[in-house]
Amino acid sequence: QSVLTQPPSVSAAPGQKVTISCSGSSSNIGINYVSWYQQLPGAAPKLLIYDNSKRPSGIPDRFSGSKSGTSATLGITGLQTGDEADYYCASWDSSLSVVFGTGTKVTVL
Amino acid sequence: EVQLLESGGGLEQPGGSLRLSCTVSGFTFSSYAMTWVRQAPGKGLEWVSVISGSGGTTYYADSVKGRFAISRDNSKNTLYLQMNSLGVEDTAVYYCAKNNRAGAPSHIDYWGQGTLVTVSS
Repeated sequence: QSVLTQPPSVSAAPGQKVTISCSGSSSNIGINYVSWYQQLPGAAPKLLIYDNSKRPSGIPDRFSGSKSGTSATLGITGLQTGDEADYYCASWDSSLSVVFGTGTKVTVL
Repeated sequence: EVQLLESGGGLEQPGGSLRLSCTVSGFTFSSYAMTWVRQAPGKGLEWVSVISGSGGTTYYADSVKGRFAISRDNSKNTLYLQMNSLGVEDTAVYYCAKNNRAGAPSHIDYWGQGTLVTVSS
């Protein structure tokens, strides 16, 4: 079972914007929805984005998601120190499994 | 309020077995698929298994197929993961998670706090 590829880390100053890429294939992202999860240090993951670009209730619109072909992107604008966390993308795969991204650590400089 | 509470983790020797449980509240358990995800120390998330709301459909990661079994008791609002033939590579925090609908494909919308499984001699 494959994994989705993410950059290991991204960083920016407070108030700036970061984007996190998630690269998959025609068996997962290419044909299924993408979701994104935020994992704060020492905590369980939390749903951030689902169905490529939808935000659950309570998630600020500073977080956005998009998908094109076999890749997806998470954007965070107005970066805050509280956004320092690991971020994971995920997608259903045609092998009847779920694949997670390799994870990206966001650092606020 | 959706709540997921895992239990059953602990220290087990290689080749041994453990059964994890996840007791839920705050939603109609039988209406949603449930998932187990694990995270080895300092590593990323790894999907383990999913079970449909009725319990009639299950899928597994290749890494656990034939060794782990997911099940649910909808009368008790409880999800299980029976883990056999444990190896050191199974050491991880195991998260119980709720999916957004009864079947697959579906995404996880709520996570438990996790239970630590350590496999070591």
